Amino acid sequence: GDSVTQMEGPVTLSEEAFLTINCTYTATGYPSLFWYVQYPGEGLQLLLKATKADDKGSNKGFEATYRKETTSFHLEKGSVQVSDSAVYFCALRPNSGGGADGLTFGKGTHLIIQP
Amino acid sequence: GAGVSQSPRYKVTKRGQDVALRCDPISGHVSLYWYRQALGQGPEFLTYFNYEAQQDKSGLPNDRFSAERPEGSISTLTIQRTEQRDSAMYRCASSLAGADTQYFGPGTRLTVL
Repeated sequence: GDSVTQMEGPVTLSEEAFLTINCTYTATGYPSLFWYVQYPGEGLQLLLKATKADDKGSNKGFEATYRKETTSFHLEKGSVQVSDSAVYFCALRPNSGGGADGLTFGKGTHLIIQP
Repeated sequence: GAGVSQSPRYKVTKRGQDVALRCDPISGHVSLYWYRQALGQGPEFLTYFNYEAQQDKSGLPNDRFSAERPEGSISTLTIQRTEQRDSAMYRCASSLAGADTQYFGPGTRLTVL
């Protein structure tokens, strides 16, 4: 079945550091890929997405590129802020052609940014 | 506009009791999804609906779990004869028909004593 693997946390960085959170997936066909974020005390929010190979999703300074050859969708940000502290989830949605489908999530990566 | 709402936000129950969790999707959203999230894990898909039709219930862990959406709007996830292992955050999401983006509610934290 489909699966998503992302790097274990917590990841602790200093403010203005460069961020990479690795995500790889296993799926048949060409899934859509997502990063969701959960800030402390809040629900899941979509951060960015990409629906086909070589697409780049971006939002709030975060970027991720859909790499089919390496089945990866790594999340990056050039300069993190304390307010980026949250749990980040990589997810996929299969493109089965049958309409909407449930998402498969990774376990989440807890990011801690220190001032 | 209003987002996805869920009630109750917190539910504590005793083992063996039945519980009903409610989800009210974003107005106009055709698809509705239920997920379960254990502590320290990502959400795990349970089931989803298009309108009132349940399209996929392959993620429901056993026959104590059921869901309905009788009028194609509000949905109820029911867990019968609860067990301690059912303790988790239950999340609901909704989307436009066939859309990639799912919008999540705040979740219901279920604790089974």
